[in-house]
Amino acid sequence: GAVVSQHPSWVICKSGTSVKIECRSLDFQATTMFWYRQFPKQSLMLMATSNEGSKATYEQGVEKDKFLINHASLTLSTLTVTSAHPEDSSFYICSAITGRTYEQYFGPGTRLTVT
Amino acid sequence: TQLLEQSPQFLSIQEGENLTVYCNSSSVFSSLQWYRQEPGEGPVLLVTVVTGGEVKKLKRLTFQFGDARKDSSLHITAAQPGDTGLYLCAGAERDNQGGKLIFGQGTELSVKP
Repeated sequence: GAVVSQHPSWVICKSGTSVKIECRSLDFQATTMFWYRQFPKQSLMLMATSNEGSKATYEQGVEKDKFLINHASLTLSTLTVTSAHPEDSSFYICSAITGRTYEQYFGPGTRLTVT
Repeated sequence: TQLLEQSPQFLSIQEGENLTVYCNSSSVFSSLQWYRQEPGEGPVLLVTVVTGGEVKKLKRLTFQFGDARKDSSLHITAAQPGDTGLYLCAGAERDNQGGKLIFGQGTELSVKP
């Protein structure tokens, strides 16, 4: 139980284009999902909290117009990186909360490379 | 903002050795989770500790939550190469702001055969 998937697992895009990453909870309904960014050999950096049916809450320093988050259903949240630049290249990971709100289950991550 | 100081950040040991990873904070957490992450994958939840003084064991891994719920430790006995990975502690804030977790800096563990 508590399986979270992400798609795609990796993506390469050209500078200036937009990329959408999907996060799905496969066997449970997730009222809240989180989006993280991670640099090599470093810890996770929370970007935003996504609640179903409402606007995402972004962490300080994260550009909401650049990282668009949509949580249209209890099993799907999407992160769109708009007008991507090489500095946006990173490992993006989502997580979801089950009924026990303090346990997060993570997706396998998406490696984004912007050329 | 609550912070979690995790140490050491890097640890390279030989197979069979024991090790301990620490997470410390000046703030109280309602619960604390330990995750293990392998390169190119998402973190996998190992354990959640909730009660002050709680000790949980998972095979060769022993997790402890401090009495005051401000610190936690992970002890690995007789480490094996398969234990290699990034270990992350994460605390749930006391007022549990929508389930948000505070992550430590991570411990990169390398166990050499």
